[in-house]
Amino acid sequence: DTAVSQTPKYLVTQMGNDKSIKCEQNLGHDTMYWYKQDSKKFLKIMFSYNNKELIINETVPNRFSPKSPDKAHLNLHINSLELGDSAVYFCASSRDTGGTEAFFGQGTRLTVV
Amino acid sequence: QKEVEQDPGPLSVPEGAIVSLNCTYSNSAFQYFMWYRQYSRKGPELLMYTYSSGNKEDGRFTAQVDKSSKYISLFIRDSQPSDSATYLCAMSAGSILTGGGNKLTFGTGTQLKVEL
Repeated sequence: DTAVSQTPKYLVTQMGNDKSIKCEQNLGHDTMYWYKQDSKKFLKIMFSYNNKELIINETVPNRFSPKSPDKAHLNLHINSLELGDSAVYFCASSRDTGGTEAFFGQGTRLTVV
Repeated sequence: QKEVEQDPGPLSVPEGAIVSLNCTYSNSAFQYFMWYRQYSRKGPELLMYTYSSGNKEDGRFTAQVDKSSKYISLFIRDSQPSDSATYLCAMSAGSILTGGGNKLTFGTGTQLKVEL
C-alpha cells in the first residue's frame, strides 16, 4: 500500500494549458504539502494544508491553486502553464505535531513544451 | 545566501568506505533536522530525524547535530553500492503550534556514488 500517492506520474503538456495533479495519503496525517524540485534537484515548499486549511503559501504565482477536499487529499491545479513550470512536483504529508518528518510521494514530472 | 548550504558533490567512494555528508545553516530557529535519501526518479525517503543537538544512530547511519555551530552531519559506515543516491538535509523551525508551520527547508542535496 502506497502511503502518499500522486497522479499522474508523468505529464507533458503545451504552454497555456491548464492541468491538475492529484495527491492522496493513507497515513491519517493532518498536514499535506506540495513541493517543487527544479532541474538542479532543489526542493522548495509551495503550499501546506492542515486539516483542509491553507497554512503556508510560499510566494507561488496565483496560477497555482491547491485544493483540499478532505484531509487525506491535496490537489494542485495549474492554469496557463509556462515553460518555467517544468519540474518535478512532490506531494508530502506529516502529522500535526512539532516539526515531525514528512513522507513524500513519488513525484509528478511535469514537462511544458 | 541560502538558508541551508550543502555541497552538491558528486561524491564518489569505494565500497566499504565511511561517508560523511554535511550541511550548514543560518537560521537559528531550526530545531528539527532530517536526512532524506532520494534515488533517481523517486521521491525523497526519510532516513534520519533528530531534534536539537546530539547524535542518533540507526544501523549503518549516524546523524549528528551541532546547533552551536549550525552544522549537521550524516555518516554512513560500510557504504554499499545500494547507498548510491542523492542525500538531502532538511530542517524545520517547528509546528504550527509554535509558529514554524512544519515547513521543511532543504539543502540542495549531495549526490553519492559508491563504487564496487
